[in-house]
Amino acid sequence: NAGVMQNPRHLVRRRGQEARLRCSPMKGHSHVYWYRQLPEEGLKFMVYLQKENIIDESGMPKERFSAEFPKEGPSILRIQQVVRGDSAAYFCASSPASNSNQPQHFGDGTRLSIL
Amino acid sequence: AQKVTQAQTEISVVEKEDVTLDCVYETRDTTYYLFWYKQPPSGELVFLIRRNSFDEQNEISGRYSWNFQKSTSSFNFTITASQVVDSAVYFCAGARFLWGAGTKLIIKP
Repeated sequence: NAGVMQNPRHLVRRRGQEARLRCSPMKGHSHVYWYRQLPEEGLKFMVYLQKENIIDESGMPKERFSAEFPKEGPSILRIQQVVRGDSAAYFCASSPASNSNQPQHFGDGTRLSIL
Repeated sequence: AQKVTQAQTEISVVEKEDVTLDCVYETRDTTYYLFWYKQPPSGELVFLIRRNSFDEQNEISGRYSWNFQKSTSSFNFTITASQVVDSAVYFCAGARFLWGAGTKLIIKP
């Protein structure tokens, strides 16, 4: 499968735990984007990364959220001390080029539920 | 400020009707791209089309067509002879990671 791979597909956490969401971009893509989608709402941009660099994190909450895209391995979106309001679908997208004029190819998302 | 507006929250039509989804993009940029994506009930996001602001020609792909008008900053999407499988949420997106709120399209048999 050459598409964007996200795992897990569903993740359940209790309040206060940590959530780690993984994203492997399409083959040949070196740019990764994370979005959050609350129920019945549109996508909200969170962060844009290249390998080993955060390019734009203007949509990331200042606390508890972090993202990385290491030289080797998938991009990770990490949410510490989760709260009920973190329940959402988190989508990862990738593109081959360095600007937002390229179409982004999306993974199937991770549905995060906080108990 | 840049903004993508999809004023129609939900549209419901009977199968085989034509339906147009509206999108308005506010920007100071002279050159930009706009996108449409589809999110069916299964939840994945599917890229449909990208258009450059220089190109105001209509684009047609099967039952789908797109009309971009720079003067009104609108990038509308029309489905001709709609089918039940077209039921989905459709998102319009601009550059700089801006997305509209989406239009939920319901096609009734």
